[in-house]
Amino acid sequence: DGGITQSPKYLFRKEGQNVTLSCEQNLNHDAMYWYRQDPGQGLRLIYYSQIVNDFQKGDIAEGYSVSREKKESFPLTVTSAQKNPTAFYLCASSKGGPNSYNEQFFGPGTRLTVL
Amino acid sequence: GENVEQHPSTLSVQEGDSAVIKCTYSDSASNYFPWYKQELGKRPQLIIDIRSNVGEKKDQRIAVTLNKTAKHFSLHITETQPEDSAVYFCAASAFNDYKLSFGAGTTVTVRA
Repeated sequence: DGGITQSPKYLFRKEGQNVTLSCEQNLNHDAMYWYRQDPGQGLRLIYYSQIVNDFQKGDIAEGYSVSREKKESFPLTVTSAQKNPTAFYLCASSKGGPNSYNEQFFGPGTRLTVL
Repeated sequence: GENVEQHPSTLSVQEGDSAVIKCTYSDSASNYFPWYKQELGKRPQLIIDIRSNVGEKKDQRIAVTLNKTAKHFSLHITETQPEDSAVYFCAASAFNDYKLSFGAGTTVTVRA
């Protein structure tokens, strides 16, 4: 299923706590992405990274942080500043680089619930 | 930035009938148009895509058409089956652009 893994599948968090979601890919893709999906809604871009040690804010970056220290990994931290963190979080990757189309492949997702 | 609108938001069809989902986009630089299928609780899966150098692409029971002049593209599913029931998302991107702009999704229900 595309070589992208996310963990954990389900995550429960108490209000006021930071939590980190894992995303790993073995596709040798340069670009990685984090999306948020609320029930019955579309996909909203949180952050994306075109290359190691570089990342950009998406449409809803407030209350989130990321790092890209390795090509294979793009963890997302949901901070206590995120007011409504309960959602389904999807990681994706694409080949990236010059002269390429943005064919993105998704991980299985992490469902985060704030108690 | 790019704005993608998708219609209808819900679609119910009888098994064996066809389903059509339409999307419009705003940025004339967009030239890559993928379609994703998402089953309940699962990841979106890329089912077909089209690039602006072609007007139509088929893969078994699904086809996508593109009208660059009118800035719209459509997904056609023929001979629908219960396993086609899912949420379908269209998206658009320009060549060398790292961001995909998604439509809001269409929930397709195939009635047996």
